[in-house]
Amino acid sequence: GQQVMQIPQYQHVQEGEDFTTYCNSSTTLSNIQWYKQRPGGHPVFLIQLVKSGEVKKQKRLTFQFGEAKKNSSLHITATQTTDVGTYFCAGPQGGSEKLVFGKGTKLTVNP
Amino acid sequence: GAVVSQHPSRVICKSGTSVKIECRSLDFQATTMFWYRQFPKQSLMLMATSNEGSKATYEQGVEKDKFLINHASLTLSTLTVTSAHPEDSSFYICSADSSRAQHFGDGTRLSIL
Repeated sequence: GQQVMQIPQYQHVQEGEDFTTYCNSSTTLSNIQWYKQRPGGHPVFLIQLVKSGEVKKQKRLTFQFGEAKKNSSLHITATQTTDVGTYFCAGPQGGSEKLVFGKGTKLTVNP
Repeated sequence: GAVVSQHPSRVICKSGTSVKIECRSLDFQATTMFWYRQFPKQSLMLMATSNEGSKATYEQGVEKDKFLINHASLTLSTLTVTSAHPEDSSFYICSADSSRAQHFGDGTRLSIL
């Protein structure tokens, strides 16, 4: 079945350092979504990318969707302690509304 | 907008008890809602798709008689864990689709003693 792989599983950085998480799908995706889950919280929608090669920015966060629409990345510039949490990518399963989630990348930031 | 409310947030009960979890879309209608289970330090595992006015669609390996889902209105889906046992202890989260994104409830942490 469709798989969404995400690396790294864990990332520990010093505050101010950059951070990147990578997502790869076994199938071409119509879109890819990113979510953030704070410790003890629920996933919160960050962004959706639809177009091949699309790049979107949200302040210090940069999201990219690969040309083949099978991979994506999230890059955070100059991390802050408020960035801690687990970042998940997710892609639709086939033509349905169901999402297949990656395993997530847990980010910890040392102040 | 797109707020999903889930209740209760935490349940601790004895083995054999049935537990009902409610998921409400507060400011939008949701013909489809999703129920996930999340084990500690792991990703979200889709359990079932809840369809308003019809039967839920369960993922492979999820017992439909164990996890009863009812989606009686466009704003409410319920998940009942029947005769819960310690292995059912987990974090259960619902979501509803709005504006091409899924919006999650706060989750229910279920602990079966």
